Amino acid sequence: EAQVTQNPRYLITVTGKKLTVTCSQNMNHEYMSWYRQDPGLGLRQIYYSMNVEVTDKGDVPEGYKVSRKEKRNFPLILESPSPNQTSLYFCASSHTPLTGGGDTEAFFGQGTRLTVV
Amino acid sequence: LAKTTQPISMDSYEGQEVNITCSHNNIATNDYITWYQQFPSQGPRFIIQGYKTKVTNEVASLFIPADRKSSTLSLPRVSLSDTAVYYCLVGGGYTGGFKTIFGAGTRLFVKA
Repeated sequence: EAQVTQNPRYLITVTGKKLTVTCSQNMNHEYMSWYRQDPGLGLRQIYYSMNVEVTDKGDVPEGYKVSRKEKRNFPLILESPSPNQTSLYFCASSHTPLTGGGDTEAFFGQGTRLTVV
Repeated sequence: LAKTTQPISMDSYEGQEVNITCSHNNIATNDYITWYQQFPSQGPRFIIQGYKTKVTNEVASLFIPADRKSSTLSLPRVSLSDTAVYYCLVGGGYTGGFKTIFGAGTRLFVKA
């Protein structure tokens, strides 16, 4: 079954304690990205990756890091989380960027609800 | 990336056809138009994509006029389970870069 798996689904942490949210896809997709969703602000892209070792900033990258060492995995790292990073996070994958022509159907993970206190 | 404008919310009743229009005046020649659906606390789900004229699949139809400055997502005979947020995305063709920008979307509420 084609899927994007995020872990954990829920996480409560304290300010400054480094954390990693994992994302894995089984569709051999090249394009992966992370989004955060906040009430009234919609989905905002944090980082994206066009392929292994190729990553770039989205619209709200401050305070986040990513890596793409393997095609299937795209972890999101918060080196020093702060309360303003409390949000619902989604990972997504597709063969090409979501708005490109061709096979651009994106698959999203179940979401990770992060609370930083 | 072309900026999109959609109505913030819409109400409908079960069994009706719902049309959600997206305005994208600055659409580029190579841009595609893509629609996603999102239920609360779930990731968005691809609905349909088109470049021009009309595209239809088992879920929806997408109407794109000749000037491509707008597009209309049509949901036939909606049910309560179609209550969701619908996003219109425009861009790609590798001329708009690889970022993805979701607008605020249209919150559709289907009533019994």
